[in-house]
Amino acid sequence: ETGVTQTPRHLVMGMTNKKSLKCEQHLGHNAMYWYKQSAKKPLELMFVYNFKEQTENNSVPSRFSPECPNSSHLFLHLHTLQPEDSALYLCASSHKQGARGDTQYFGPGTRLTVL
Amino acid sequence: QKEVEQNSGPLSVPEGAIASLNCTYSDRGSQSFFWYRQYSGKSPELIMFIYSNGDKEDGRFTAQLNKASQYVSLLIRDSQPSDSATYLCAVSLPVAGNQFYFGTGTSLTVIP
Repeated sequence: ETGVTQTPRHLVMGMTNKKSLKCEQHLGHNAMYWYKQSAKKPLELMFVYNFKEQTENNSVPSRFSPECPNSSHLFLHLHTLQPEDSALYLCASSHKQGARGDTQYFGPGTRLTVL
Repeated sequence: QKEVEQNSGPLSVPEGAIASLNCTYSDRGSQSFFWYRQYSGKSPELIMFIYSNGDKEDGRFTAQLNKASQYVSLLIRDSQPSDSATYLCAVSLPVAGNQFYFGTGTSLTVIP
């Protein structure tokens, strides 16, 4: 489908669980992003990594912890989430953050439900 | 405040008609402008981007940018039922490494 894959596609977890979302891009890009999409709200940027370095953390609660071991892989570690964290979590990648016209390509997303 | 505004719709057009989607943005420093299409339950997919004033055409799609008025629009000619989706407008700002800001999207329904 696209050059950005995400696993799992669906996740149901309790508030005390620990889980991780995985994203992999096969486009040779250098920047990777995590977004949260809730119903009736704009996409919310959570984290940005550019050349494996975190460049943005948009006031995201510490129960969300990103990890970027290399330019192709991005993880989002989840622990002690709240029901309001239920949403679609989207990973995206782009060639080079900051370049004019730099375009983000999205993965299929992980639909997260917190019970 | 870096806001991107879109009419949430729903916008309904008959098959074969032109669909016009509009987006306004608040920050004059916005650099590039993107249109994404998102089908229900799917992730956003890029349609096209524009960063110069004027029109940019790609097949049935035309993006129009007017930086003086701070709006960007997307025209879909010969609309097809398969165009029924939510269309997201996004702008990028050359601050903190070129962040993206998305609108809430406009829901389009093309009626056969």
